[in-house]
Parts: sequence; C-alpha cells; structure tokens
Amino acid sequence: NAGVTQTPKFQVLKTGQSMTLQCAQDMNHEYMSWYRQDPGMGLRLIHYSVGAGITDQGEVPNGYNVSRSTTEDFPLRLLSAAPSQTSVYFCASSHRDSYNYGYTFGSGTRLTVV
Amino acid sequence: RKEVEQDPGPFNVPEGATVAFNCTYSNSASQSFFWYRQDCRKEPKLLMSVYSSGNEDGRFTAQLNRASQYISLLIRDSKLSDSATYLCVVGGQAGTALIFGKGTTLSVSS
Repeated sequence: NAGVTQTPKFQVLKTGQSMTLQCAQDMNHEYMSWYRQDPGMGLRLIHYSVGAGITDQGEVPNGYNVSRSTTEDFPLRLLSAAPSQTSVYFCASSHRDSYNYGYTFGSGTRLTVV
Repeated sequence: RKEVEQDPGPFNVPEGATVAFNCTYSNSASQSFFWYRQDCRKEPKLLMSVYSSGNEDGRFTAQLNRASQYISLLIRDSKLSDSATYLCVVGGQAGTALIFGKGTTLSVSS
C-alpha cells in the first residue's frame, strides 16, 4: 500500500501565486487533515475532513481552501501565496473506527514563498 | 493556555540513560492520547497510544493521569537511535482532529 501520498515534495512559489498541494490515501480512511509545521510552533491544524463532502476549519485556516469530493483525495489550495505560508505541510488520515489508533502521515511538502 | 504543552528541551543524555518526558493538556473532554516520534525533516510517526492504565512497549512506558490532565513517556536504556523529537498528541471526540504539542527534543550521545 502507498499509504498517504503528498505531491509535490518541494515547491517554490512567488508571492501572489496560487497552487494546490495534493494528498491522496489508499486506505479508505474517513478522516483526513492538513497540518503545517514551523520551527518552534509545532504542528498546527489548517483544515480537516471527517468524510467526503464534509470539511471544517482548524487553528490556522486563513489563506487556504480545501474540498473533499472523494474519500481518497483531500487537496489544499493556497489562494494567493504569502511569505508567511513558507512551511512544511503534512497531510494525515485515519479510519473513523480506528480513530483511537492515531494518524498516518504523508511525507510532507516543503513550500517556500519568495 | 495552549491545548497541549510540553517541555521543548533539548534533553541531552548518554546512551543507557533513562529519560522522562511530560505533557499536560487543557481539554478535560479529551478521549485519546498518543506519543509520536519525529525525525529531522521527516513526517511524525506513531510511537504508542496512551491508556489510562498505563502501557509499555519494550523500553518505552506511557502513563496517563486524567485527573491531573497529564501524560508521560519514559524511555529506559536510551539508544543513539532514540534521538528525535517526541510529540504529545491529544484527541477529543470522534470527528475532531488531533492536537499536537510542540515536541520535546531528545539527543542521545555515546
């Protein structure tokens, strides 16, 4: 199994550009989440989804959009990139029934906005 | 008050040492508890779940005190390969996302 796949692994954007970070899982997990990780800040929740068609905001949602049209995919859209969005982005997933068993993470996308 | 708080460290210990990490959480309704390990520039990986009765996995022992809203991780006989950042993670009811602490950095030296 591929698990949770994130693309791209690295990306450099210019301020004002838009892009989509892709996240796909092949484990039929209901729950999917996006986190960003910055030095000294830990992992902060951006958006999450408990199933197809259902999304909710996390701690730092401004500047990001998500949608969940299928169980497998949970893309994160940067609407107009800003240097403050330079970060490492992690996508994670879990089964609803195995929520108590934690998340499986993708390997991350390292984004630099110049 | 942050939802999940950890001492950031770093903890610098020699091989063979015993080291303990502590974590507190603010939401008394929290229902699931974990320790994750994160190596430099890698994704977090689940180390172990934490149960009210306490649980052990080899050299690792996790404890949960719901009354004090306190979680701990004890590592015995530290190995060089234990060097990493350890994240305390707390979850609420089903349908809510996991909340991560900022992590505690451990460096084990020979």
